[in-house]
Amino acid sequence: GAVVSQHPSWVICKSGTSVKIECRSLDFQATTMFWYRQFPKQSLMLMATSNEGSKATYEQGVEKDKFLINHASLTLSTLTVTSAHPEDSSFYICSARRAALVPYEQYFGPGTRLTVT
Amino acid sequence: QKEVEQNSGPLSVPEGAIASLNCTYSDRGSQSFFWYRQYSGKSPELIMFIYSNGDKEDGRFTAQLNKASQYVSLLIRDSQPSDSATYLCAVRTGANNLFFGTGTRLTVIP
Repeated sequence: GAVVSQHPSWVICKSGTSVKIECRSLDFQATTMFWYRQFPKQSLMLMATSNEGSKATYEQGVEKDKFLINHASLTLSTLTVTSAHPEDSSFYICSARRAALVPYEQYFGPGTRLTVT
Repeated sequence: QKEVEQNSGPLSVPEGAIASLNCTYSDRGSQSFFWYRQYSGKSPELIMFIYSNGDKEDGRFTAQLNKASQYVSLLIRDSQPSDSATYLCAVRTGANNLFFGTGTRLTVIP
């Protein structure tokens, strides 16, 4: 159990275009989902936290108008990178929290590698 | 001061040995502690979590937590080459997001 999927697993897009990444919890309901970004040889950086049915909470320095997050249901969250630029190239990983109780286990999707040319 | 600190390594151990990975955290209110394994180019995989002082064992893995010292560790017994990866320590305070360390790169030498 506790499987999180992401689609696509990799994407190449041209500068100025938008890219949508989907994150699904396959065998559990996730009231909270998280989006992380990881640059090579660096740790995970939390971008935003989204709760089903409400607006996402963005971390400091993350542009909410550039990284649009929609948590439409208890099993689906999407991240749209708008007007992508080469510096947005990174490994984007979503994570879903399985339960609302301690220890709030959190499982990660396989990640999406974005390359902006 | 960083929220969660880990020795970046690399840590090299021979196959069959015990690998010991350490992590310290700054927030005394932290309640839950997690160890993730991340292979190169892959996303993190949850190995264990612990939230009570003491040891918690799961197969070849043992997590140790000492809240007074704000210290959590992961022991890997009978290390295998397939254990070679980056190990991320993560700490949660309350119901909020996880704070990740920068990870320790482990290499198990056949």
